[in-house]
Amino acid sequence: EAGVVQSPRYKIIEKKQPVAFWCNPISGHNTLYWYLQNLGQGPELLIRYENEEAVDDSQLPKDRFSAERLKGVDSTLKIQPAELGDSAVYLCASSLQYGNTIYFGEGSWLTVV
Amino acid sequence: RKEVEQDPGPFNVPEGATVAFNCTYSNSASQSFFWYRQDCRKEPKLLMSVYSSGNEDGRFTAQLNRASQYISLLIRDSKLSDSATYLCVVTNAGNMLTFGGGTRLMVKP
Repeated sequence: EAGVVQSPRYKIIEKKQPVAFWCNPISGHNTLYWYLQNLGQGPELLIRYENEEAVDDSQLPKDRFSAERLKGVDSTLKIQPAELGDSAVYLCASSLQYGNTIYFGEGSWLTVV
Repeated sequence: RKEVEQDPGPFNVPEGATVAFNCTYSNSASQSFFWYRQDCRKEPKLLMSVYSSGNEDGRFTAQLNRASQYISLLIRDSKLSDSATYLCVVTNAGNMLTFGGGTRLMVKP
């Protein structure tokens, strides 16, 4: 069975440019998460979806970050404009239901120069 | 104070050694506890849940001390392949996961 798929795997952009990350969760998983992981730190939740509804986005910097999960399956996370401090790994994860085991994708590594 | 704290390490141990990591959490209402493993440049993966009675999975033993608000992970007979970062994870009543910063383990021949 395919795991959580993310793309792109690596992205280097100049500051002030936009960037978008895509995530395809495990088939049948209703809950989708976007996490941010800085070097040497644990993942921090940015947003959680239950099907197509964003139910927890309190940690998402809404001035420059946006996310959507159309049709309750795939999701995109966008940053516009990117800042140097946004350099990090953006991890997508999914679970069958909220509270079940979370499975992570390999992450999208962003470098803003 | 961070909600979940871990010694970042690295812990450098020889093959065959026994090594233990602790993790402290600040929210006394925390309900569920886990250890995740993260290899270099890879995603975190669930290693094991931590139960109140403690649990063992092969060479790995996890324990919970609610009174002192810490969990531990013990690895016996360390293998080279155990080299990774071990993330402590705690959930609150709303099932929200909070990750510690991770403890890095390096097992050397």
